[in-house]
Amino acid sequence: AQKVTQAQTEISVVEKEDVTLDCVYETRDTTYYLFWYKQPPSGELVFLIRRNSFDEQNEISGRYSWNFQKSTSSFNFTITASQVVDSAVYVCALSEARAAGNKLTFGGGTRVLVKP
Amino acid sequence: GAGVSQSPSNKVTEKGKDVELRCDPISGHTALYWYRQSLGQGLEFLIYFQGNSAPDKSGLPSDRFSAERTGGSVSTLTIQRTQQEDSAVYLCASSIARGEQYFGPGTRLTVT
Repeated sequence: AQKVTQAQTEISVVEKEDVTLDCVYETRDTTYYLFWYKQPPSGELVFLIRRNSFDEQNEISGRYSWNFQKSTSSFNFTITASQVVDSAVYVCALSEARAAGNKLTFGGGTRVLVKP
Repeated sequence: GAGVSQSPSNKVTEKGKDVELRCDPISGHTALYWYRQSLGQGLEFLIYFQGNSAPDKSGLPSDRFSAERTGGSVSTLTIQRTQQEDSAVYLCASSIARGEQYFGPGTRLTVT
């Protein structure tokens, strides 16, 4: 069965520091999708990125970057030069192509606290 | 509005009562999902609807939980004879087929 592990439950940094969030996944499927969502205090999940298993290119979007390493089953997320507004819970998720629909299996989330 | 909406935003109910939670997906999104987020379990899948196909109910925790989607749009999640362990935030998401899921703000359910 699929599983997503986010070993870091909480990370506290000072503004402008970089922070890297770890995500390790397990799946028997060869085709799958990985996601990151941001959950601010309001509670709504905000989509950040989707990556399919055949695309191992790293991606950068502004201060956000993602490192997909199939060899270690990891999909890590880095926030560069963190800001207070980055404070939120970040959740990594997986969906398997063979499953009906795109139902997500989530990690436990990492709470990021950025202090001014 | 352009996003997924859910109602009510908060619901407090007594143990044993039935509750209905509503989700309005983004217009044109054929897929609709229900998840719940509780302190002990994190985020977990409940049920999935895609067009006119039979729903995937594999995540429903018990037969007290049911959901329907009328006209391929609005969905209602019903919990019968609520228990305290049902207390959680219930999140709805919609997508175009197997595309990215966009989530609503959730309904916080508290069973007293």
